[in-house]
Amino acid sequence: ETGVTQSPTHLIKTRGQQVTLRCSSQSGHNTVSWYQQALGQGPQFIFQYYREEENGRGNFPPRFSGLQFPNYSSELNVNALELDDSALYLCASSSRLAGRYEQYFGPGTRLTVT
Amino acid sequence: GEDVEQSLFLSVREGDSSVINCTYTDSSSTYLYWYKQEPGAGLQLLTYIFSNMDMKQDQRLTVLLNKKDKHLSLRIADTQTGDSAIYFCAENRMNRDDKIIFGKGTRLHILP
Repeated sequence: ETGVTQSPTHLIKTRGQQVTLRCSSQSGHNTVSWYQQALGQGPQFIFQYYREEENGRGNFPPRFSGLQFPNYSSELNVNALELDDSALYLCASSSRLAGRYEQYFGPGTRLTVT
Repeated sequence: GEDVEQSLFLSVREGDSSVINCTYTDSSSTYLYWYKQEPGAGLQLLTYIFSNMDMKQDQRLTVLLNKKDKHLSLRIADTQTGDSAIYFCAENRMNRDDKIIFGKGTRLHILP
């Protein structure tokens, strides 16, 4: 059984650019959630994808968007990057067929916006 | 509100027990979690407890839940240097989106 993987590990972008982060869910999991963790803070929920559709959204602006693919992998896209977008972006996978309460996190992508 | 509160720092001597405390605000929370984060790493799910339980034990970890006071604690017995990390308390109200709400984390420092 493979765990949650994310790419890239680190990324540096400049303000105003766009970024795409990727996540492969754990084998057997059909739901992906994205979280933003600023330095010294707990993770904040961005949104969740289930059956290729957004299933819930936190308090993030529309320039944060996502996709889920038929193989359950997911992308997080952020447009018009701002300095405050610098953070660790975490992806979590879970299964709505069993154990939906267990969300397993990937290692994260550290985004730095300059 | 959505706040999950926990103290920011805890220092414990190696071999002693560590107790990390947390309070949450929503009495409808169904699952309560403890996650561990080591430097530069993602989150590791340590344990969770369903809201109809008072206690859960898993090897060196004991979770206690006081639903009346909305208080959750994590006890780590025989604390080791490898336990040094940030521990996050979190709640899942099992709404449609399974959003997990995290505290700011407690940094556990192990004294020799």
